[in-house]
Amino acid sequence: EAGVAQSPRYKIIEKRQSVAFWCNPISGHATLYWYQQILGQGPKLLIQFQNNGVVDDSQLPKDRFSAERLKGVDSTLKIQPAKLEDSAVYLCASSFGLAGVMSTDTQYFGPGTRLTVL
Amino acid sequence: GNSVTQMEGPVTLSEEAFLTINCTYTATGYPSLFWYVQYPGEGLQLLLKATKADDKGSNKGFEATYRKETTSFHLEKGSVQVSDSAVYFCALSDPPSSSASKIIFGSGTRLSIRP
Repeated sequence: EAGVAQSPRYKIIEKRQSVAFWCNPISGHATLYWYQQILGQGPKLLIQFQNNGVVDDSQLPKDRFSAERLKGVDSTLKIQPAKLEDSAVYLCASSFGLAGVMSTDTQYFGPGTRLTVL
Repeated sequence: GNSVTQMEGPVTLSEEAFLTINCTYTATGYPSLFWYVQYPGEGLQLLLKATKADDKGSNKGFEATYRKETTSFHLEKGSVQVSDSAVYFCALSDPPSSSASKIIFGSGTRLSIRP
């Protein structure tokens, strides 16, 4: 079974530029997550989708971050404009179960996109 | 709010040594507890989990027991190998068993095993 795919793997931009990340979850997985992992810290959830609807975006900085999951499959996460503190690894994960039914549902993570903002 | 605290690294051990990585949590209710592992150059993957008090999760020789009385979920392995070198994250589900449950991660512990 193919895993969670993410691209690009690395991105370097200057502050105030915009950037977009792409995620393709495991086929059939209803729930998709975007995490931000700052160096030396654990991943922090930014947004959670169930199919193409948002379940939780309480920690998404909505003034500059946006995400969508069209057709309930692939997802994109965008930052516009980027700040220095956005430098991090952005992880995408997916799980089979529906949010709320399976709080213990296993999340499968992609390799991440390492963003450096100069 | 709910949180996870794990021992800071890096932890360096010799091959075949006994491993303990401490993890304690703060939560209301009864969260599920997890250990995730991130091998060099790879994505995070679930190592083991426990869903209720006194449950023991185990995988690949690693074990952790859900201790509600001490709010702990320490990771142990009797004999580590070089291939166990990785970053280990303790995590909990927050809020437990709800319609918008998410995982809260600790800061990670880097483990290095010397041959």
